[in-house]
Amino acid sequence: GNSVTQMEGPVTLSEEAFLTINCTYTATGYPSLFWYVQYPGEGLQLLLKATKADDKGSNKGFEATYRKETTSFHLEKGSVQVSDSAVYFCALSAYYASGSARQLTFGSGTQLTVLP
Amino acid sequence: DTAVSQTPKYLVTQMGNDKSIKCEQNLGHDTMYWYKQDSKKFLKIMFSYNNKELIINETVPNRFSPKSPDKAHLNLHINSLELGDSAVYFCASSPSGFSTDTQYFGPGTRLTVL
Repeated sequence: GNSVTQMEGPVTLSEEAFLTINCTYTATGYPSLFWYVQYPGEGLQLLLKATKADDKGSNKGFEATYRKETTSFHLEKGSVQVSDSAVYFCALSAYYASGSARQLTFGSGTQLTVLP
Repeated sequence: DTAVSQTPKYLVTQMGNDKSIKCEQNLGHDTMYWYKQDSKKFLKIMFSYNNKELIINETVPNRFSPKSPDKAHLNLHINSLELGDSAVYFCASSPSGFSTDTQYFGPGTRLTVL
């Protein structure tokens, strides 16, 4: 079946530090890959996505590259800010078991705290 | 304007009660979803509807029943609530259910069963 393995947290960084959150996946076919972010007390919102191999998604200084050969989609940011403190979810979209619909499968989430 | 809205935001109730959570989206999307997020933040799909038709029905207890009166609304009714149902429930929508689609999430409903 489909699965997403995400770096366990929590992760605590100082402001302006470099961020990497590792994500690897298992899926049949050619999934789309996503990073969603959840700020405290809110729902999830899309951070970035990539829909085919070697695509790079980017948004708000965050980047991730769809690596089919290593089945990975690691999230990076060169200089984090206090406002980046949130829970980050890696996810893939692939066929549901019956083959008639797609579903998102999420990783376990990584709590990031950025200290001033 | 809120894109995906849920009511109520908080729900505290006793074991054995029946409760409903409502979800509405004003994005014109065809597909809507319900997710459950447990205390460790793990998210799992429960149901999905496309144009009012149920297309994903994960292995959840049949005490949970989704209803979609039209493609802008997807409600979740829960019978005979149990302690283990305590969680945050998120509604989401996407344009068409394609794998490349972004899903748009509501703010969540925190259900606490006492």
